[in-house]
Amino acid sequence: DAKTTQPNSMESNEEEPVHLPCNHSTISGTDYIHWYRQLPSQGPEYVIHGLTSNVNNRMASLAIAEDRKSSTLILHRATLRDAAVYYCILRDGAGGGADGLTFGKGTHLIIQP
Amino acid sequence: NAGVTQTPKFRILKIGQSMTLQCTQDMNHNYMYWYRQDPGMGLKLIYYSVGAGITDKGEVPNGYNVSRSTTEDFPLRLELAAPSQTSVYFCASSASGAGVETQYFGPGTRLLVL
Repeated sequence: DAKTTQPNSMESNEEEPVHLPCNHSTISGTDYIHWYRQLPSQGPEYVIHGLTSNVNNRMASLAIAEDRKSSTLILHRATLRDAAVYYCILRDGAGGGADGLTFGKGTHLIIQP
Repeated sequence: NAGVTQTPKFRILKIGQSMTLQCTQDMNHNYMYWYRQDPGMGLKLIYYSVGAGITDKGEVPNGYNVSRSTTEDFPLRLELAAPSQTSVYFCASSASGAGVETQYFGPGTRLLVL
């Protein structure tokens, strides 16, 4: 799987939008962009994924650059419960994918009340 | 659905002891995975399975063994515990290995080897 680059940490205020960036300049045409998050002392949980078009779900939005070399996870109104480590992960849509997810260090999101 | 469950939640082992970490999923998923997470780091894949009776090594398999006799269960065995195996262990499952597929994670087992 291609590599991703994320800031080590970000800080935001409660009830404000949060934009978490991810660079993936070596992404291939069949790579899906996945976001997972890990709350303190819990296992990772799925947030959202996309291929080319922007995506929305009840948790977040995913904005994908036109050249697909970067993406941004958007939390529209952060709460204290959104404080977590957020991982941006690429998955090859053309491969069998049986070899698991490749986690980097992610972005530690701090929410200030 | 309970999803992915893991036992125990926490365990202290002495060097050289052995133990089995249990993982069960009730989503009828074919694919199951074991990861470990060291402090401040991302997860690393230990072993994975694409179905009952089929297992394969991940990135960091040394010191571990797995078996998959049923679709639901995927136990991880540590034969001779070493301090380097102090970590948090997560089990995960997914319906398939496709790139679009979501993985579902258990709550983790925290292991301390002294």
